[in-house]
Amino acid sequence: GQQVMQIPQYQHVQEGEDFTTYCNSSTTLSNIQWYKQRPGGHPVFLIQLVKSGEVKKQKRLTFQFGEAKKNSSLHITATQTTDVGTYFCVNTNAGKSTFGDGTTLTVKP
Amino acid sequence: GAGVSQTPSNKVTEKGKYVELRCDPISGHTALYWYRQSLGQGPEFLIYFQGTGAADDSGLPNDRFFAVRPEGSVSTLKIQRTERGDSAVYLCASSPGTHPSTDTQYFGPGTRLTVL
Repeated sequence: GQQVMQIPQYQHVQEGEDFTTYCNSSTTLSNIQWYKQRPGGHPVFLIQLVKSGEVKKQKRLTFQFGEAKKNSSLHITATQTTDVGTYFCVNTNAGKSTFGDGTTLTVKP
Repeated sequence: GAGVSQTPSNKVTEKGKYVELRCDPISGHTALYWYRQSLGQGPEFLIYFQGTGAADDSGLPNDRFFAVRPEGSVSTLKIQRTERGDSAVYLCASSPGTHPSTDTQYFGPGTRLTVL
């Protein structure tokens, strides 16, 4: 996989506020996956994006893949305490996955 | 069904010792992956198996690290002459193996290795 950079590293929000994490690469990516890791847990697959400009939604989560396939974002609407964790973007190429360093979200009730 | 399991869940060893970490993938998954995760960082790729063979071992940091999967199911990650810098959570994942670049990977709970 190719190197992916994530920002911000940490995000603290009040419950009900929105949250966005960004993933960027200097080169074109064949795909992006997003995983969530709860505190003390292991990464769990959320979604995969493969097409330029692709947008996918899962309830309050919206995932986008940029037109140039060099960036991606995850947006959470009206955060809940169950959204806490670290969100990773991942690029996989022929079985080799490269994880970003993640964005850790904390939510204040 | 059963997910990916890893044993032990925790391993404490002394510098210079040899350790083995075991991974049991989801039944029927031909692809198996090992990662290392340090605090505050994303998982770092170590090695990827397709069946019994290592399809990509470019992430193994040095020759002290070795992994096997002799029957295409259970895998063992072996670390010789452990160093304090090897302390991390070692994660294993498996996937169906049909599309290596797009298969969903299912992670185990990890083994926390501490080298004193």
